[in-house]
Amino acid sequence: ELKVEQNPLFLSMQEGKNYTIYCNYSTTSDRLYWYRQDPGKSLESLFVLLSNGAVKQEGRLMASLDTKARLSTLHITAAVHDLSATYFCAAANQAGTALIFGKGTTLSVSS
Amino acid sequence: KAGVTQTPRYLIKTRGQQVTLSCSPISGHRSVSWYQQTPGQGLQFLFEYFSETQRNKGNFPGRFSGRQFSNSRSEMNVSTLELGDSALYLCASSLRGGAWDTEAFFGQGTRLTVV
Repeated sequence: ELKVEQNPLFLSMQEGKNYTIYCNYSTTSDRLYWYRQDPGKSLESLFVLLSNGAVKQEGRLMASLDTKARLSTLHITAAVHDLSATYFCAAANQAGTALIFGKGTTLSVSS
Repeated sequence: KAGVTQTPRYLIKTRGQQVTLSCSPISGHRSVSWYQQTPGQGLQFLFEYFSETQRNKGNFPGRFSGRQFSNSRSEMNVSTLELGDSALYLCASSLRGGAWDTEAFFGQGTRLTVV
């Protein structure tokens, strides 16, 4: 059974500093997703990682995937207040018919 | 192009009642999946449909059911509502689902409150 673990669950960040969120998954998965959710809102797609060594960057966010270690990371560079939100990673099951989500990491950026 | 549309956005129901939620996927998308989000359990997969067929079902009681129509619109139904069914229900749309797809787009969700 595919399980996804994220850590930390809460992250209080200072503006301008760098942080990393970790996402481990338990069995083979072809795809790893990162989503952002603002309070009361839906999920916004950030990245889709499809292969070992994949790295994607958008602004201050960079995601990477190590399929051998079953680990994805979301790195935040020079945090700003606008990044305050909850971030979820999700792995697709083998058939691709379901996304299994981690518990989410709630980021709070303060000056 | 229009995104994933879920209706209604908010619902308040009484224990024991039943409820039907609707999801219209992005035009051309044939796979629709449903997720339940609660503070305690997080985001949990409910079921996935493609071309009117349920291809996968999560670990939920039989009170949760769904269907998909020929135009790819999907509905989910919860019967005999319990307080614990209070949640944000999210629908995701993708082109074909399965091993071929790489993106899933989520609707705004339906916030169900059971009192």
